[in-house]
Amino acid sequence: EAGVTQFPSHSVIEKGQTVTLRCDPISGHDNLYWYRRVMGKEIKFLLHFVKESKQDESGMPNNRFLAERTGGTYSTLKVQPAELEDSGVYFCASSQVLGGSTDTQYFGPGTRLTVL
Amino acid sequence: AQSVTQLGSHVSVSEGALVLLRCNYSSSVPPYLFWYVQYPNQGLQLLLKYTSAATLVKGINDFEAEFKKSETSFHLTKPSAHMSDAAEYFCAVKEANRDDKIIFGKGTRLHILP
Repeated sequence: EAGVTQFPSHSVIEKGQTVTLRCDPISGHDNLYWYRRVMGKEIKFLLHFVKESKQDESGMPNNRFLAERTGGTYSTLKVQPAELEDSGVYFCASSQVLGGSTDTQYFGPGTRLTVL
Repeated sequence: AQSVTQLGSHVSVSEGALVLLRCNYSSSVPPYLFWYVQYPNQGLQLLLKYTSAATLVKGINDFEAEFKKSETSFHLTKPSAHMSDAAEYFCAVKEANRDDKIIFGKGTRLHILP
C-alpha cells in the first residue's frame, strides 16, 4: 500500500511568488492534516480536513495560506504571496476514522520550501 | 491544553550503549502519546504509540517507551544503540479518542559515536 506522498519534495521561490504544495493521503483515509516545521522550531499543526471539509484550521498563520481538498482525496496548500518566514518543511499526514476515534497519523516525506 | 517537553536537543551515545531520550507531557485530558523518528532526508516515521492499553509500549527497531502518569513522562529507550539509529526523534501528544491535531516536542537529535 502506498504511503502519504507529497509534491514537490523541494521548492525554491522568490518572495512575493506563489507556491502550491500537494499531498496525496493513503487511500481510504478521510482525515488529512497539514503541519509545518520552521527551522529550529517544533513541528506545528496547520489544519485538518475530514474528507473535503475543514475540521480545524486554527493553526493557519494568516490569509496568505489557502488549503483545499476538493473531492476529499488529495489536498493542496497554496501560499500567495510567499514571505521569507514561510520557509520550512511542510508535512502532510493522514489517518483513518475508526468507530469515532482516530487511528495513527501517517506522515509524508515533507516539502522543503525556501523563500528567497 | 497539551504540551510536550523533550529534554536535550542533542544526545550522543556510544554504539552499543543504552539510549535514553526524555519526554514529559502536559495534558488536561487523557492523552495518546507517540514517538516519531526522522532519518536523514526522510519523512516522519512512527516508532511507537501509547493509546491507554499497556503502559510499556514496544516499537520498531527494539525501541520501547513507558507511560508513567505519576511522572507525566514517556521516555524512549533502546538497550543497545546502533549507528543506524542516528536520527531526530520527536515526542508527541494528542487527546485520546479524538480526530485531533498532534502536539510535537522540539525534537532530539541522536548522535551515535563509534
